[in-house]
Amino acid sequence: AQRVTQPEKLLSVFKGAPVELKCNYSYSGSPELFWYVQYSRQRLQLLLRHISRESIKGFTADLNKGETSFHLKKPFAQEEDSAMYYCALSPGGGNKLTFGTGTQLKVEL
Amino acid sequence: KAGVTQTPRYLIKTRGQQVTLSCSPISGHRSVSWYQQTPGQGLQFLFEYFSETQRNKGNFPGRFSGRQFSNSRSEMNVSTLELGDSALYLCASSPAGGLDGYTFGSGTRLTVV
Repeated sequence: AQRVTQPEKLLSVFKGAPVELKCNYSYSGSPELFWYVQYSRQRLQLLLRHISRESIKGFTADLNKGETSFHLKKPFAQEEDSAMYYCALSPGGGNKLTFGTGTQLKVEL
Repeated sequence: KAGVTQTPRYLIKTRGQQVTLSCSPISGHRSVSWYQQTPGQGLQFLFEYFSETQRNKGNFPGRFSGRQFSNSRSEMNVSTLELGDSALYLCASSPAGGLDGYTFGSGTRLTVV
């Protein structure tokens, strides 16, 4: 069975500081990984997909199969980045998402 | 374009009753998934439908069921409600599922008393 671990429930950083939200997974096959974000009073929304190798709102995430990690990074945090971030795994590109418990990012001025 | 629409937004039911929740996906999206969100268990996958067929199912009891119609709209039903079924139920749609990523609705908040 697959599992996604986000070790930090809350991460506080100052504006302009680098951000790294940790995500580790366990899955024996080839996973597809995603980051979803939920801003205050908004719906859960897709931030980025590992398969796209994209940068969204300055965030990037690299899949490290050796360390089974998919950490989300941004070099300079902005106030508007404050939100709940969920890492999610889809086994073999399938249609079932397994979510981590989420990390609340708080960017302080 | 219109997003994923879930109705109703809030529901209060009594133990033992049954409930039906509705989800209208984004136009053109054929994959619809359902998730349960609770403070204790987080986001848990219930099931996924594509072209009226259930493609995947999570680890929930048979009291939880769903279906999808030819217009891709989906419903989920919970029978014999228990207090522990109180949760936010989220629907998500995708063009074909999987790698496309999912667009989520605002959810239906179910309270069982």
